[in-house]
Amino acid sequence: GQQVMQIPQYQHVQEGEDFTTYCNSSTTLSNIQWYKQRPGGHPVFLIQLVKSGEVKKQKRLTFQFGEAKKNSSLHITATQTTDVGTYFCAGLVNYGGSQGNLIFGKGTKLSVKP
Amino acid sequence: NAGVTQTPKFRILKIGQSMTLQCAQDMNHNYMYWYRQDPGMGLKLIYYSVGAGITDKGEVPNGYNVSRSTTEDFPLRLELAAPSQTSVYFCASSYFAGPYSNQPQHFGDGTRLSIL
Repeated sequence: GQQVMQIPQYQHVQEGEDFTTYCNSSTTLSNIQWYKQRPGGHPVFLIQLVKSGEVKKQKRLTFQFGEAKKNSSLHITATQTTDVGTYFCAGLVNYGGSQGNLIFGKGTKLSVKP
Repeated sequence: NAGVTQTPKFRILKIGQSMTLQCAQDMNHNYMYWYRQDPGMGLKLIYYSVGAGITDKGEVPNGYNVSRSTTEDFPLRLELAAPSQTSVYFCASSYFAGPYSNQPQHFGDGTRLSIL
C-alpha cells in the first residue's frame, strides 16, 4: 500500500541547535500536511504544502515540498524547549476524483535538552 | 467552540467486552475520521465518513464498526475487545474543499483504551 516514510524516528538536540525531519513517499502526493503532537496530547495542524517546490515559513520553522511532490522536510532553527514533541507528516494520496485519505508517517520525536 | 469532543478519556476493558467510543464535532465539518495510535507509531486510519449516512473503511477496520447518523456524531464501536486493540484512539474532522484539495484535520483529545 501507500507509504509515507519519516526519518529520523528520534532526535535529541541541545537547546539552540537546529533540527530537521524528512518525509518521503513512494508515490506522488497531492499535498502534504505537517502536525505536531505534544507528549500526552493530540496532533495539531501546523501547515499544508500544495505546490511543487513550495517553501513556507512559520517563525523558526521552515517547511519544504519537493519538486517531484514525493518528499518534504521540516526544519527548526535554534530549537527551544517548547519545540518538544512528535512531528508528523501526512501525505494526501488522491484516488482519482474523490478526496484521498491522509497517510501519516510514523513521526519524529524531538527532545530538547536545556 | 468545543471543536472535537471525545468520550471517555480513559477506559479499561476485559477481553470480549464491547464498548462505544463517542466523538462529536461542532464545526459543521462533513468529513470525520477515526485513527488509532500505537506507542511510537503514527496514526492509522480505521474508518472515515464523508457525510451523514456514508462511511468507509480505512487501513485497519477489522474489529471495529462505525455509524454516522448525524453530521455532528461519529461513534466507533468495538464489539469483542481484544488485547491488540489496546491503543489511543483519536477522532478527527475536516471540511471538504474539493476533490484535489484537503483541509486540516482537527483532532479530539483521544481515548486511551486498555484491553486486559
